[in-house]
Amino acid sequence: GAGVSQSPSNKVTEKGKDVELRCDPISGHTALYWYRQSLGQGLEFLIYFQGNSAPDKSGLPSDRFSAERTGGSVSTLTIQRTQQEDSAVYLCASTSGTGAFGNTIYFGEGSWLTVV
Amino acid sequence: GNSVTQMEGPVTLSEEAFLTINCTYTATGYPSLFWYVQYPGEGLQLLLKATKADDKGSNKGFEATYRKETTSFHLEKGSVQVSDSAVYFCTNSGGSNYKLTFGKGTLLTVNP
Repeated sequence: GAGVSQSPSNKVTEKGKDVELRCDPISGHTALYWYRQSLGQGLEFLIYFQGNSAPDKSGLPSDRFSAERTGGSVSTLTIQRTQQEDSAVYLCASTSGTGAFGNTIYFGEGSWLTVV
Repeated sequence: GNSVTQMEGPVTLSEEAFLTINCTYTATGYPSLFWYVQYPGEGLQLLLKATKADDKGSNKGFEATYRKETTSFHLEKGSVQVSDSAVYFCTNSGGSNYKLTFGKGTLLTVNP
């Protein structure tokens, strides 16, 4: 597609359930990111993929969070046993090359997760 | 470490007013600096960028100059429009060539 596509756009889940968030990056972009945007907290880096590998997963807040990327394209962020503090907008982004320097990073519109 | 501190909002201006949103940063290495904008109901978009000291990024009437001596990248626009109402994020790439560190965002509302 023309831009970074994320699904679902909105998800309401019960505390303790697992959720999967999907990201379809711009075709040909090798670098993919997940960020989390919480109210009043700005954007928090979660994980960076280059191809199918994740050389930096330092931002994942706990072992309930995991992400994978297959075929150098689609990525899935999984949150197990969701907690209310996981409620946020989860943003996916992609870029060509190795990343930020000199390259424009394109963001999706986000998946708004609410844990009740 | 890498961090960004930007002016807290919300900022409310009248149309045609002058805008400044302050941003300072700390970074290891030689960062690139960016301003991203999030319009209501839309995803984040790159507004402008500067990749080295003294560079000036500009777009849509907005400007920001990379000041290494003051570690600043303040966003300015001479005459804001209602359509500029959005959340603005100052961002730096730190010493990394792949990861962006974001400020908390500044909500700008421009009234007619």
